[in-house]
This record gives sequence, C-alpha cells and structure tokens, in this order.
Amino acid sequence: KNEVEQSPQNLTAQEGEFITINCSYSVGISALHWLQQHPGGGIVSLFMLSSGKKKHGRLIATINIQEKHSSLHITASHPRDSAVYICAVIRLGNQFYFGTGTSLTVIP
Amino acid sequence: NAGVTQTPKFQVLKTGQSMTLQCAQDMNHNSMYWYRQDPGMGLRLIYYSASEGTTDKGEVPNGYNVSRLNKREFSLRLESAAPSQTSVYFCASPTGLSSGNTIYFGEGSWLTVV
Repeated sequence: KNEVEQSPQNLTAQEGEFITINCSYSVGISALHWLQQHPGGGIVSLFMLSSGKKKHGRLIATINIQEKHSSLHITASHPRDSAVYICAVIRLGNQFYFGTGTSLTVIP
Repeated sequence: NAGVTQTPKFQVLKTGQSMTLQCAQDMNHNSMYWYRQDPGMGLRLIYYSASEGTTDKGEVPNGYNVSRLNKREFSLRLESAAPSQTSVYFCASPTGLSSGNTIYFGEGSWLTVV
C-alpha cells in the first residue's frame, strides 16, 4: 500500500469549474508538497505546506496534520490548468514519498 | 540559473547495452535524487545522495549504479539495460529543511529499452 493516496485519479472539468484534488497519507511527515507536471514531463512545486492553508493566484492548498489529509483547490479552472497534480510528503531525513498523481483535463 | 539539468532527453537502448544519465544542479544543494516514473505508479526513488561523497539505495536500486562526482553532479548508470528499465527518469534536488524544503526537478529523460 502506498503511503500517499490521491483522489481522484482522473478528473475532467468544464472551464470555470471549481476543482478539488485530495491527498491522504499514512505516515508522520514534516511537510507536504503539491507538484504540477505538464505534458512533456517537467515537474514544478506549486506549494510546500506544513500547516494551515496557502494561496497562490487561483490555487489554494490546505493541510490537516491531525487527519493526515491535504487538498488542492483550483478556482475558475482554465484549460491551461490541464496537467497531472502530484502530492508528495516529506519524512524525516528529507525523504520524499509521492502519490500516483491526478490527471486533470479542463475542457473549454 | 538553470536549476537541475539532465541529459539525454531521449534515448533508445538495446537490451544489454549500457548508458549513463547525467544530472547537474547549480544551486549548491547537498542532496540529489534519481527517480523513475512509470504509468500508474508514483515517482519511485532509485538512489539518492545526501551529500558529496555519499550515495544510498532507494526503493528500486536493482540494475542501477550511481556516482556523486562532486557537489554539482550525480549520474545514474545502467550497466546492462533491460526492457523493465523502460521509464521516464527524473533527477531532483531539494533545498533542505532550513531553506523551506522546495524540490527542483530536471526535465526528465525518456528511456526505451528494446
């Protein structure tokens, strides 16, 4: 069983919709990342969270340490948001563990 | 500031051939990692180097070797490629706990073993 579980695996939305991607983990962590991977492969870090909530433009990430759960929200989704979103947790020793990703397609 | 640079971008190998994937970071980070990404699976750690001169096995090290040549460079070698090593390979380097733990990835190397 993977230490990091994401849902849904695939998501299709109409432009403008509010999107939520969930991440649950089963181990103690020091922090959590949300990563974005566009077609063609490049992976970039969107957020690093250790508590609470962070907002960057139309993206909002939250984490509940007690419940071992994080969510990534996209408001007013746009086709350029189409990508794979990956949750990654950081454990002691600076080791990263990754979810399998959520493939998002936003249709105009 | 290039961040993490890895080469080659694409490679096709015949079973049994050897090759080396190169990775360099210009951010003066201590840690560097090699991951592979396969369909339906998360990024899996092959090997990592916590600092110059040290390397350790990750989750899926079999069939690979690594060299931390200096602080900048961390190479991954396939001595005798097998079709099961067909994958996308990513080199990555985190900033470390004291610097916010951001992680930077290379652009990926698509490897096909036939």
